[in-house]
This record gives sequence, structure tokens and C-alpha cells, in this order.
Amino acid sequence: GIQVEQSPPDLILQEGANSTLRCNFSDSVNNLQWFHQNPWGQLINLFYIPSGTKQNGRLSATTVATERYSLLYISSSQTTDSGVYFCAVRLWDQFYFGTGTSLTVIP
Amino acid sequence: NAGVTQTPKFQVLKTGQSMTLQCAQDMNHEYMSWYRQDPGMGLRLIHYSVGAGITDQGEVPNGYNVSRSTTEDFPLRLLSAAPSQTSVYFCASSGERRVSANVLTFGAGSRLTVL
Repeated sequence: GIQVEQSPPDLILQEGANSTLRCNFSDSVNNLQWFHQNPWGQLINLFYIPSGTKQNGRLSATTVATERYSLLYISSSQTTDSGVYFCAVRLWDQFYFGTGTSLTVIP
Repeated sequence: NAGVTQTPKFQVLKTGQSMTLQCAQDMNHEYMSWYRQDPGMGLRLIHYSVGAGITDQGEVPNGYNVSRSTTEDFPLRLLSAAPSQTSVYFCASSGERRVSANVLTFGAGSRLTVL
């Protein structure tokens, strides 16, 4: 399978700060997606970003598939951004997840 | 447009009991899968299915059975529950077209406690 590594494992921010989350993957794939798991446990798809850059409000993501990494940017963080962020890739019929970055935004 | 529906949301079992976690999707997705989530270990694949009548094992299949008799439903069965199966279980599905096949949609999760 593919190894998916995320960093940092934990992040604490003051409200209004910016942050960058990283996802590295071990094989050449072009189907990376980012998820947010909110404090109630719900997993929400943020971005499907096989390559290039996408933006959605205060969040943006960039994937450089040739170098096997993706970055998730959170600007002007809010308390509602708290939770765990996962990246995942698909190889054949299986999806592989990183262990996540746990983000806490303090008011 | 319910998406992926999981039931029950919470369940407490005694060791040795059996139960079925239900998963249904109304998006006509061919691909369905079950994951378990444990603290510090991310999401681990239990079983998956690429279509009705087809199932296969993931990373942690022991102690679980699945079947896929229809496109919509993908139940997960615990035959004889063990405390090690205490976890949060997620069902997820994806479509069959080139892009949608790579985009997972998750259910709300089922929290299982085995005493």
C-alpha cells in the first residue's frame, strides 16, 4: 500500500492566525483529498485536489503530485476550524489515510 | 439526498454478542467501504466492495463479515464481539466515474462499545 504521513500531528493556534498542514505520500498517485473531522466526529470532504491549487473561502490546498506532497492552508483561523484534518489517497481499490493533524483554535 | 446513512449511531455489546452495523447510500455509488477509527491510528480499512456481489478485505478484516447484495446497502457484521472491537465505525462510498471514483463520502459514524 501507500504510506501517508501528515505533519504536524498537533497544532494549537490563536484565533486569527494562519497555518499550513502537510501531507506526504509514498507513491505516485494523482487523487489526493483532504477531510475535516469536526469535534462531533463528522468527516467532511474539503478538497479533491490531485494537482494544482484550489481555494474555498479561508481554506486553500496545493498538491505537487510529482513531489508527492500536498499542503492545506488555513487563513484567519476560527474556533470552528478546530478538529482533525486528514488527507487520503487511492491506490487501486483502497484508500489510504494519514493519521491526521489535530487543530485546536483558541478564542 | 441523504447521502450515506449509518445505523445505529451508538451501540453497547457484551463480549461474544453479534450485531450488524447498517450502511445505505442513495447516490448509486458502486464503491462502498467500512473503516474503523481508533485514537491515534487514523482510519483503517476493514472491508470494501466495488459493486453488488463483490467484496474484499482491507487492512483489518478479522472478526468482521460483509456482504453486498444490492448497490445501496453494505452491512458490516460482528460475529462474536470482542473488547478490541470497541471503536468508531465509518461507512464511506464513492462513484464510478473517473473523478467521483476518487472522492469519498462518509456516513456519520457508529460508536460501538464492547464490554
